[in-house]
Amino acid sequence: DVKVTQSSRYLVKRTGEKVFLECVQDMDHENMFWYRQDPGLGLRLIYFSYDVKMKEKGDIPEGYSVSREKKERFSLILESASTNQTSMYLCASTLGLAGAGEQFFGPGTRLTVL
Amino acid sequence: KNEVEQSPQNLTAQEGEFITINCSYSVGISALHWLQQHPGGGIVSLFMLSSGKKKHGRLIATINIQEKHSSLHITASHPRDSAVYICAVRGTGNQFYFGTGTSLTVIP
Repeated sequence: DVKVTQSSRYLVKRTGEKVFLECVQDMDHENMFWYRQDPGLGLRLIYFSYDVKMKEKGDIPEGYSVSREKKERFSLILESASTNQTSMYLCASTLGLAGAGEQFFGPGTRLTVL
Repeated sequence: KNEVEQSPQNLTAQEGEFITINCSYSVGISALHWLQQHPGGGIVSLFMLSSGKKKHGRLIATINIQEKHSSLHITASHPRDSAVYICAVRGTGNQFYFGTGTSLTVIP
């Protein structure tokens, strides 16, 4: 039973390219999150969204933007990819604005920027 | 400053051993999560708890709200338990804070 999907498992891009990472959830969750995961640093929040067309910066938003035009879809955009954006990108979603909803993760996209 | 600290960072155990992974946090929370990440990246939620103790099969999670501490225990460990275990807390807002993970290897 698929809950959170991401558009690609592996992606290789060149420096300066515009990159789109898409995340779709089928659980009607309000909250969606984009993280990057790097060795020794754990998961770091890039952006999150608590409703359609709403977005909030996380801890490391520089170099990224997001789009949430529909409730089920949350896109992460790298306007001009750089080598330091090579990472594993994970999308997640939770139900509810407040409270303690379980977080569901997508399978991740391993992005390499050459 | 890390809002969530885990220990140990790496752990190697013999099959059958009892394993404990610890998590301390410094923020007010609405819930604490234990996550498991296998090689290849996929993360699954093991537990979500805000008080007391939960058990699922060979896994047990406890939390002490006053001490801001949680433990994940694995009884009768098995090589298939080899994974990275991540402690995450949901703050009183909407943000999650993550530990850097404990890499567990269980040797047959």
